[in-house]
Amino acid sequence: GAGVSQSPSNKVTEKGKDVELRCDPISGHTALYWYRQSLGQGLEFLIYFQGNSAPDKSGLPSDRFSAERTGGSVSTLTIQRTQQEDSAVYLCASSRTARRVEAFFGQGTRLTVV
Amino acid sequence: DQQVKQNSPSLSVQEGRISILNCDYTNSMFDYFLWYKKYPAEGPTFLISISSIKDKNEDGRFTVFLNKSAKHLSLHIVPSQPGDSAVYFCAASAAGNNRKLIWGLGTSLAVNP
Repeated sequence: GAGVSQSPSNKVTEKGKDVELRCDPISGHTALYWYRQSLGQGLEFLIYFQGNSAPDKSGLPSDRFSAERTGGSVSTLTIQRTQQEDSAVYLCASSRTARRVEAFFGQGTRLTVV
Repeated sequence: DQQVKQNSPSLSVQEGRISILNCDYTNSMFDYFLWYKKYPAEGPTFLISISSIKDKNEDGRFTVFLNKSAKHLSLHIVPSQPGDSAVYFCAASAAGNNRKLIWGLGTSLAVNP
């Protein structure tokens, strides 16, 4: 596609429910990143994909968080048993290769856990 | 521990004047620095980057200066335009196979007509 697309744009969920956030990167981009921005915080790295593998998951805050990428394209970030502190804007970015520093971002998914 | 710091949460300038946004970092392993612009309800948009082997990079109205000895970089916008009003994030990346970005907290720039 023309840009990075994320869905849904907004998600309100009840505490304890599972949520899935989707990212469609720019076609042909092999590197994909998930970040999140909590209220009043800077962007925080979560996970990096090169192709379908995730060599760096160091930013995932707990084992309730997981992500996968299929076909070297679409990625899904799953949060199980959501907590209120999971409320944030989740941003996906892609770049042509991991050696290219400039990453292109989607519009984000605003997750609110009530 | 904040490795990338933007100490000014906000900045206000007059249209046509220069905007200077500052950023400090602590990690000497960073070898690339980037500036992103973010409008409300949108994702960050890449503006300009600089490699640690350079001290200046210019792209139109945007210039980034890097002072490695001081671990400081700045973004200059001249002349500033009302459409430049946004939050500006400084980000840094260390060499390696994973170009994840470490971000500052952002500076909200308001350009007044």
